[in-house]
Amino acid sequence: DAMVIQNPRYQVTQFGKPVTLSCSQTLNHNVMYWYQQKSSQAPKLLFHYYDKDFNNEADTPDNFQSRRPNTSFCFLDIRSPGLGDAAMYLCATSEGFTAYEQYFGPGTRLTVT
Amino acid sequence: AQSVSQHNHHVILSEAASLELGCNYSYGGTVNLFWYVQYPGQHLQLLLKYFSGDPLVKGIKGFEAEFIKSKFSFNLRKPSVQWSDTAEYFCAVLANQAGTALIFGKGTTLSVSS
Repeated sequence: DAMVIQNPRYQVTQFGKPVTLSCSQTLNHNVMYWYQQKSSQAPKLLFHYYDKDFNNEADTPDNFQSRRPNTSFCFLDIRSPGLGDAAMYLCATSEGFTAYEQYFGPGTRLTVT
Repeated sequence: AQSVSQHNHHVILSEAASLELGCNYSYGGTVNLFWYVQYPGQHLQLLLKYFSGDPLVKGIKGFEAEFIKSKFSFNLRKPSVQWSDTAEYFCAVLANQAGTALIFGKGTTLSVSS
């Protein structure tokens, strides 16, 4: 009965080689989020979709992009990964913003070699 | 910018000890408050949440938290911890009029010895 699914759980990519992480949800939630969590740090929001409306956080690097082809799926594209992009990437969903909790997936751990 | 502070980076307790984890935030308006827990090898799970009403909220597994607006605090408590409570705990705040980003604290690692 997994609700927020992330694939793969572990991803290794080479410096500069584009990589895509995927997230799917069975909750039919309107909002999908992508967070970056580096070691011993708090999760940090990169961007979110409310339905098809995309919102990029002001300090999210241009290297990071996202796609949401339908309600269930959302992708994180890293165009040219650098060593500093190695992190855990968390996908989350919620019905709305205020007064709604977010449901998190297990994360994808990205290693950049 | 909004921020969330968790005062303890690593807490070590024996089973049956009482727990209190501190959380303070910096936003003067209406907030939604959350405590999430991450057990080893698992995903973030909601422990409890505060949106409005009674400032003392009860969550799963015997946890509770108290919202004290005047102190901008939302401390997590449990009267008697168990070995299975070993995990990382994150406080998070959604500032309702300041956008949609859930701001997390850096987390507190709780280690409970049996």
